[in-house]
Amino acid sequence: AQSVTQPDIHITVSEGASLELRCNYSYGATPYLFWYVQSPGQGLQLLLKYFSGDTLVQGIKGFEAEFKRSQSSFNLRKPSVHWSDAAEYFCAVGFTRMYSGGGADGLTFGKGTHLIIQP
Amino acid sequence: EAQVTQNPRYLITVTGKKLTVTCSQNMNHEYMSWYRQDPGLGLRQIYYSMNVEVTDKGDVPEGYKVSRKEKRNFPLILESPSPNQTSLYFCASSLSLAGGYGNEQFFGPGTRLTVL
Repeated sequence: AQSVTQPDIHITVSEGASLELRCNYSYGATPYLFWYVQSPGQGLQLLLKYFSGDTLVQGIKGFEAEFKRSQSSFNLRKPSVHWSDAAEYFCAVGFTRMYSGGGADGLTFGKGTHLIIQP
Repeated sequence: EAQVTQNPRYLITVTGKKLTVTCSQNMNHEYMSWYRQDPGLGLRQIYYSMNVEVTDKGDVPEGYKVSRKEKRNFPLILESPSPNQTSLYFCASSLSLAGGYGNEQFFGPGTRLTVL
């Protein structure tokens, strides 16, 4: 079965500093990988996704992530964080469920990393 | 505007009193899903539906029911809520293409449920 590990429960970064959030996955086939962000009191918003091709993926809000197959990782980065980036970040791996009518795609999430921005 | 809506957004209830949380999407998505989010546990899938009248259990289905009679709606039913079902619930939807395309899931705003 697939799984996602986000090793850091909390990360504190100073405003303007660079950020890297770690994500490791386990999946038996070519992974489809996602990063979602959840701002306080809000739902989940997709930051970026990797399906295939270029291993460096650009997303919204200045975020990027790099897929490294050899390390089973999909780390999220941002060169300079803003106070508005304070949120919960979730990494997820997509997988396919097969059923009698065909296939359907699901997501398995990591437990999240809580990002705190210091002024 | 393309969106997933959930109602109610907040609910406080008592043990054993049946409740339904509604979920509706206007994107003609085939796949819909319910998750619960608990501190330190991330999001865990409760139930999912591949299409109308096709549903299946996720990772934590105990104590929940769902139905999918129309493509746009996917209500979550708690027949006899208990305090351990106090949580933040999210509904999500996506296009569903066979073959593992990993379609983006669109999430509703969440329903915060407290069972006393």
